[in-house]
Amino acid sequence: DSGVTQTPKHLITATGQRVTLRCSPRSGDLSVYWYQQSLDQGLQFLIQYYNGEERAKGNILERFSAQQFPDLHSELNLSSLELGDSALYFCASSPNGGGAGELFFGEGSRLTVL
Amino acid sequence: DAKTTQPNSMESNEEEPVHLPCNHSTISGTDYIHWYRQLPSQGPEYVIHGLTSNVNNRMASLAIAEDRKSSTLILHRATLRDAAVYYCILRDSMDSNYQLIWGAGTKLIIKP
Repeated sequence: DSGVTQTPKHLITATGQRVTLRCSPRSGDLSVYWYQQSLDQGLQFLIQYYNGEERAKGNILERFSAQQFPDLHSELNLSSLELGDSALYFCASSPNGGGAGELFFGEGSRLTVL
Repeated sequence: DAKTTQPNSMESNEEEPVHLPCNHSTISGTDYIHWYRQLPSQGPEYVIHGLTSNVNNRMASLAIAEDRKSSTLILHRATLRDAAVYYCILRDSMDSNYQLIWGAGTKLIIKP
């Protein structure tokens, strides 16, 4: 158990819809990262938040947005969903915003868009 | 971030050592070498990381070439539970963020 909690674990929805994925980082971790993993692919970095502020942005679509709340949990909002958005979405956390330390990953949210 | 090159897959017998190679010929002086693994249907899990010297922990050992252009993750005695995709990633310690560029990794198959 990494200490990172993601909900929901599974989500099935239709094209055009909007969903919200939630992540609770490990206790005390200030940074939250979101990654997307499509079938049999590596992880694609989407966005990083550090202590409530956006720190880095990767290949995140304009239809996607995220935020980190004062209690440090984070939400990833996916809107106008397309079939290609079907993927595993992972959240990770770390104590700080950089350095060489490790990331702690949640078990992911599997999104299926029909 | 510099890129890494790993074999797509490797097979090993249970209870034998496994050496997973990684090439990173464009590594910079401030890049740490990180290894993560992803078991089926799970999130990635940190394995080990190092900068210049070889590193050991309870999970594995990391052997880093003297010129740092390659490294090897060593599982001393593989079990069926070690079957996973292993990712070798470079992380610039001077970066203020933590993007990590993930490749396709090496799928490790353990034969009983």
